[in-house]
Amino acid sequence: EAQVTQNPRYLITVTGKKLTVTCSQNMNHEYMSWYRQDPGLGLRQIYYSMNVEVTDKGDVPEGYKVSRKEKRNFPLILESPSPNQTSLYFCASSPQTGQGARGYTFGSGTRLTVV
Amino acid sequence: AQTVTQSQPEMSVQEAETVTLSCTYDTSENNYYLFWYKQPPSRQMILVIRQEAYKQQNATENRFSVNFQKAAKSFSLKISDSQLGDTAMYFCAFMKPTGANSKLTFGKGITLSVRP
Repeated sequence: EAQVTQNPRYLITVTGKKLTVTCSQNMNHEYMSWYRQDPGLGLRQIYYSMNVEVTDKGDVPEGYKVSRKEKRNFPLILESPSPNQTSLYFCASSPQTGQGARGYTFGSGTRLTVV
Repeated sequence: AQTVTQSQPEMSVQEAETVTLSCTYDTSENNYYLFWYKQPPSRQMILVIRQEAYKQQNATENRFSVNFQKAAKSFSLKISDSQLGDTAMYFCAFMKPTGANSKLTFGKGITLSVRP
């Protein structure tokens, strides 16, 4: 089954403790992206990647890092999480940049709470 | 930069009735795509319908249809014969298909409740 797999689904952590949210897709998609969803703000893009080793900032990149060492994986790294990063996070992929109109595939989301 | 505005935070409709969700956007682009996504309590993001800006004909998908007014930059979603399973948050989104980053720009969302 074609899918984007995010882990974990839920995570509670403490301020300053480094964490990684994993994202993996099995569709050989080149384009991958991370979004955060907050009440009253919709979804906002954090980072994106056009292909292996090619990443760039989205609209709200502060406090986050990403890497794209393999085509299928695009982890989101919070080096020193803070409470304002408490949010619902989504990973999404599409075949290539500019081809999202054919349908982005979203992961099932990660609910992160930083206390 | 593109912006997407959904001014109604919540709406409610009786089962089997018709409801329209509003969305406006702002862009200087001529070629773009517009989407409506559904997010049920399961949190999954589900594509409901999409519209290509260069197509004048309004998109339809079964009970879902859009009213796309390009000059007015308006993109409303009509749900006919509402069902209990339509209860969800709905997001309007914009995408520019060219350039390095084909990101989706989302509105704030609207919570739709379908009453039995």
